[in-house]
Amino acid sequence: AQKVTQAQTEISVVEKEDVTLDCVYETRDTTYYLFWYKQPPSGELVFLIRRNSFDEQNEISGRYSWNFQKSTSSFNFTITASQVVDSAVYFCALMSGANSKLTFGKGITLSVRP
Amino acid sequence: DAGVIQSPRHEVTEMGQEVTLRCKPISGHDYLFWYRQTMMRGLELLIYFNNNVPIDDSGMPEDRFSAKMPNASFSTLKIQPSEPRDSAVYFCASSPSGGKDTQYFGPGTRLTVL
Repeated sequence: AQKVTQAQTEISVVEKEDVTLDCVYETRDTTYYLFWYKQPPSGELVFLIRRNSFDEQNEISGRYSWNFQKSTSSFNFTITASQVVDSAVYFCALMSGANSKLTFGKGITLSVRP
Repeated sequence: DAGVIQSPRHEVTEMGQEVTLRCKPISGHDYLFWYRQTMMRGLELLIYFNNNVPIDDSGMPEDRFSAKMPNASFSTLKIQPSEPRDSAVYFCASSPSGGKDTQYFGPGTRLTVL
């Protein structure tokens, strides 16, 4: 069975603070894929990143960075110098096994205050 | 390029009525997914298609729900008869061939059943 846990439910920060969103996953498969999606107040789901289980390199894209650690089954997401526009719900998701199904975590609501 | 297109964006109906949600995937994508988002259950996969063929419908809640994909550019999700507990946001997503690729989501249809 596959499972994604996002233990933080709500985070509130002041603009320009750094913030890390945690994601812990469970799967018995050796090949799997991890994703982060953003859901702004407008409601759409925006793809942020995809990482496969064989690539543990950390990734940086502008103010966003991701830390993938197989040893702790974690795929954490850091926003540096947060902005009000970063306010959204962020979902971590897992795809593993023969199925193409995405299993989502419950999401983390991030509020960035001016 | 156009993204995934869903219609209608909002639907309000009365219990017992038939509801049809529509989706046009990104051109060239072989996989199409239907997800439902509720406060209680989060984001969950209902069904997905590969080359217009249903592959996994284990997430379809009950016989009142049905999905079709008559061609590569169109899919429907039908609820008949609708019930208040079906109220949710329904997302359609598509991905390129391979099944493990990134899924790109449409804007969603917000369904309210009174």
